[in-house]
Amino acid sequence: EVQLVESGGGLVQPGGSLRLSCAASGFTFSDYTMNWVRQAPGKGLEWVSYISSSSSVIYYADSVKGRFTISRDNAKNSLYLQMNSLRGEDTAVYYCARENFQFDPWGQGTLVTVSS
Amino acid sequence: QAVLTQPSSLSASPGASASLTCTLRSGINVGSYRIYWYQQKPGSPPQYLLRYKSDSDKQQGSGVPSRFSGSKDASANAGILLISGLQSEDEADYYCVIWHISAWVFGGGTKLTVL
Repeated sequence: EVQLVESGGGLVQPGGSLRLSCAASGFTFSDYTMNWVRQAPGKGLEWVSYISSSSSVIYYADSVKGRFTISRDNAKNSLYLQMNSLRGEDTAVYYCARENFQFDPWGQGTLVTVSS
Repeated sequence: QAVLTQPSSLSASPGASASLTCTLRSGINVGSYRIYWYQQKPGSPPQYLLRYKSDSDKQQGSGVPSRFSGSKDASANAGILLISGLQSEDEADYYCVIWHISAWVFGGGTKLTVL
């Protein structure tokens, strides 16, 4: 079964840092581009970042550029999102998603709350 | 002006059809894009429904019923998700997405109420 499981969310103060992880199973992780997508409470979906299968191509949304860093470890079947200089507006559920043209599947998400 | 605009809400009756629109900003030609559609129910992650660029370039998500279909209205510069034979389980939020200038762009979502 293809599965993505996010972890690492939690409560962090403004200006703080957090590292999210996404563990992949049931498919050849190294063959696929991966993405992070977030959803603020009661709001719509917002794409955050993209990383190609070999990490050679990386993109970020303007809202996180310079603060967030996406990475992956194909040997560990894992995707990461290092989030620095966190702001209140970064509060959201963060989903990882496999990309094969479309986002499919998605993980269940991990909640990040930025608050003092 | 947002890249993708979706009506915030839509209501329709069981058994009827619902047409959800996704309008591209002026200057962005709908004909050039694959439009992806996702469904999200409360408390769950989004699920892929289908993608549509043209009748020769489209894909239905695995297990997605054929009563979900995609199309375009070039005159309105919009993508359309048509749901026929509405069922109560179709009540959800629906998002359109395109790949635009090295970024995935989501529409704001449409909340579909079936009543």
